[in-house]
Amino acid sequence: DVKVTQSSRYLVKRTGEKVFLECVQDMDHENMFWYRQDPGLGLRLIYFSYDVKMKEKGDIPEGYSVSREKKERFSLILESASTNQTSMYLCASSSRVTGLNEGTQYFGPGTRLLVL
Amino acid sequence: AQSVTQLDSQVPVFEEAPVELRCNYSSSVSVYLFWYVQYPNQGLQLLLKYLSGSTLVKGINGFEAEFNKSQTSFHLRKPSVHISDTAEYFCAVRRLGGATNKLIFGTGTLLAVQP
Repeated sequence: DVKVTQSSRYLVKRTGEKVFLECVQDMDHENMFWYRQDPGLGLRLIYFSYDVKMKEKGDIPEGYSVSREKKERFSLILESASTNQTSMYLCASSSRVTGLNEGTQYFGPGTRLLVL
Repeated sequence: AQSVTQLDSQVPVFEEAPVELRCNYSSSVSVYLFWYVQYPNQGLQLLLKYLSGSTLVKGINGFEAEFNKSQTSFHLRKPSVHISDTAEYFCAVRRLGGATNKLIFGTGTLLAVQP
């Protein structure tokens, strides 16, 4: 079974703090994703990575950055947390899309972040 | 570009009743379609997916969905729900082919099963 873990289930930070959210997958997946989930808005893609040290912006990258130094780990960084970044953050991973593999995404349990 | 519409934000239903959660999509190219379920305080779990072939797709926990290309719909159904089916359900789409597997999600439907 695919396992995607996130470092914290709940996190409380203050405005202006630098915040790191960590995600680790154990299936040797090439692709990793960070989403934020807000009521009434569904999931929105922040960043994704298709290889080590490679990243692409998603739909809402402003105020976030990412790091992928190792294949199994994908970090989301809030350089200076703001109250409007209070949300649920979900990490996902998938294998690379090939002719035989459509790259189904598998999700971690999420981190609920509260910025005060 | 693709988009997904889940018209019902909440669907209340009594236990053992049938349920249908609606999903419509918009795309100028062929797509793959997915339903994910999120139980309270958990991440998303894949329920079922349509890639090609038979338009009726069966998933876990007794759910099924039917792909209707002419109506651009992928509605999720279960003939008899249980209390444990209470969760939020997300429909998602991604384009066929292409180098990436980015998903576009709907806004979700909360299924509230009452005794």
